[in-house]
Amino acid sequence: AQSVTQPDIHITVSEGASLELRCNYSYGATPYLFWYVQSPGQGLQLLLKYFSGDTLVQGIKGFEAEFKRSQSSFNLRKPSVHWSDAAEYFCAVGFMNTGNQFYFGTGTSLTVIP
Amino acid sequence: GAVVSQHPSRVICKSGTSVKIECRSLDFQATTMFWYRQFPKKSLMLMATSNEGSKATYEQGVEKDKFLINHASLTLSTLTVTSAHPEDSSFYICSAQSGGNTGELFFGEGSRLTVL
Repeated sequence: AQSVTQPDIHITVSEGASLELRCNYSYGATPYLFWYVQSPGQGLQLLLKYFSGDTLVQGIKGFEAEFKRSQSSFNLRKPSVHWSDAAEYFCAVGFMNTGNQFYFGTGTSLTVIP
Repeated sequence: GAVVSQHPSRVICKSGTSVKIECRSLDFQATTMFWYRQFPKKSLMLMATSNEGSKATYEQGVEKDKFLINHASLTLSTLTVTSAHPEDSSFYICSAQSGGNTGELFFGEGSRLTVL
């Protein structure tokens, strides 16, 4: 079945520590890949996206993600987490050539300990 | 980045009434808008794809007669929850795509619907 999986429902890290949020997808073709962040009661903000080319993409707020085709993964990383990074993070896949279908993973909630 | 605005941000209504939520792209034209529903601590569920000037495309399991979508212009899509019931209470989010098939999706702030 087609799916977007974020294995970690909740992650807690100390401020200043590194972070990696996992995302795997299961689709027939390589989709476009996105990471979004959502603060409580708010809409979604795009962190970064991958369409093609360099598999390591840089985003806003110091985030980066690496597309690994062999693993069908698009993990989000940040070298040093700040307390303001505490939020819900969603991985998403898009199929812009087939009616612009766009699907989200179940999300990973990030808690940052001072 | 581009701005997508939703209105109202919060709405409380009685069971059996209908509620309309607006989604506007403020500084770009969006031929395609999307409506999502988000349950507490859950991911976003794509409800439907709204295309300007044509009927919306609904995802499997979404009642099109319950959730009426109208995309009358390139900057406005509306979602009407008809005969709302408490189980329709949720956070509804719209998004609009800018510029072609690989255009970035911009999301609205979301609308919290509570049906009493």
